[in-house]
Amino acid sequence: ETAVFQTPNYHVTQVGNEVSFNCKQTLGHDTMYWYKQDSKKLLKIMFSYNNKQLIVNETVPRRFSPQSSDKAHLNLRIKSVEPEDSAVYLCASSLQGAGNTLYFGEGSRLIVV
Amino acid sequence: GEQVEQRPPHLSVREGDSAVIICTYTDPNSYYFFWYKQEPGAGLQLLMKVFSSTEINEGQGFTVLLNKKDKQLSLNLTAAHPGDSAVYFCAAGNNYAQGLTFGLGTRVSVFP
Repeated sequence: ETAVFQTPNYHVTQVGNEVSFNCKQTLGHDTMYWYKQDSKKLLKIMFSYNNKQLIVNETVPRRFSPQSSDKAHLNLRIKSVEPEDSAVYLCASSLQGAGNTLYFGEGSRLIVV
Repeated sequence: GEQVEQRPPHLSVREGDSAVIICTYTDPNSYYFFWYKQEPGAGLQLLMKVFSSTEINEGQGFTVLLNKKDKQLSLNLTAAHPGDSAVYFCAAGNNYAQGLTFGLGTRVSVFP
C-alpha cells in the first residue's frame, strides 16, 4: 500500500529549465529523504529533512534544493537542469531514530534533452 | 564513510531453485540493515529489516543471514518463483539522519 506519493512520475525537459518534484507522505513520519537513482541503479542520498531542518546535504550541486512546507511534504527543485541530472528521484520517509524503516515512493523519472 | 559491495549484479534462477545475494559492508559501526525489492517502474519495497543483535531472519520465501565478524549480509531466495524477478538492494545504516548506504543491486530473473 503506497503511503509516499510522488508527482510527477515522469518528466522530460530541456537543458537549462527548472524542474520541481513533489513528495507527500501520509505515514505521520518526521523525517523525509531524497535519493537519486542513476541509470546503473546506483542509489545515493541527496537530502534528508527533519522538523524543517536540513540534516544531510551530500556533494549535491547547488542547483538542487529541497523545499518543505511541513513534515509531510518534501519537494525537490532543480534550478537549471543539466544532462547528468537525468535519473529517477526517489522520495522516502521514516520516523526519527536509528534503525527505523525508510518507506519509498515510486519515483520520479527525469529526462533532460 | 560506509561502502556496501553487493554481488552478483545479475542472477538467473530456474523456478523452484534457490539463489543467494551477498553484501559486504565496511563500517563496523553499521548496525542495522535492510533488504529492498524493486520491480520495474516501481519504488523500493521493504523485504526485511535486520539488526546486529539478530543473525537469522526468515520471511516469506527467503532467509536473511547476518555475519558480523565478516561484515556480510546475505539474502537467500528459497524456491524462486516468477514473482521474485526484480532488482534487490541491501542497505546499511548507523545514523538515521545520514540515511542508508545502498549496494548496487542484484537483478534477479526467474525462468521456468
